[in-house]
Amino acid sequence: QVVLTQSPSASASLGASVKLTCTLSSGHSNYAIAWHQQQPEKGPRYLMKLNSDGSHSKGDGIPDRFSGSSSGAERYLTISSLQSEDEADYYCQTWSTDIRVFGGGTKLTVL
Amino acid sequence: EVQLVESGGGLVQPGGSLRLSCAASGFTFSTYTMTWVRQAPGKGLEWVSAITGGGRTYYADSVKGRFTVSRDSSKNTLYLQMSSLRAEDTAVYYCAREYGSGWYIVDHWGQGTLVTVSS
Repeated sequence: QVVLTQSPSASASLGASVKLTCTLSSGHSNYAIAWHQQQPEKGPRYLMKLNSDGSHSKGDGIPDRFSGSSSGAERYLTISSLQSEDEADYYCQTWSTDIRVFGGGTKLTVL
Repeated sequence: EVQLVESGGGLVQPGGSLRLSCAASGFTFSTYTMTWVRQAPGKGLEWVSAITGGGRTYYADSVKGRFTVSRDSSKNTLYLQMSSLRAEDTAVYYCAREYGSGWYIVDHWGQGTLVTVSS
């Protein structure tokens, strides 16, 4: 059963860059994932799908400031030129036989 | 534009039942796998159930045997029938569309509907 692990929190300054990590459990390092953003008091929003080779495809209207990359079992979401509206929870998601799996989420604070 | 609008949430007593609906528009509903995801207060996202365009269904262990997902392609509507509800089922329930093409990920979300299980 695949498990996704995310750090509970991260912080970075306005205008800076931040790299969030989603780690796939042992034996699942070739899995693709998706990243989702959830701003305070709002529903989630799909950001992108991300392959194990680092290739990614963003959802409609997602700014160029958001990008994805991969290394081994790690999947990354990099946000550059941080803006106040980027303060949100970020979730990774994948799937396995007959199920879908979400990571626990990372709460990003923009200082 | 893809739109997913949930309805049917509310307050229900433990052991009770509730049916959620999700009206879909802006895409060919019958060809996409649809999924339900929930979020308990202050918690993360939890996948609940999915149904393919052909009607094959999948459930999380936490709801198996209690929840039933279905769809009516003539009405472009997704349903989640919830029974034997427990306090731990209290959550915002999101309807979502999956990407397709072998990607079992959500690419569009609804705004959610709140289900509260309490006496």
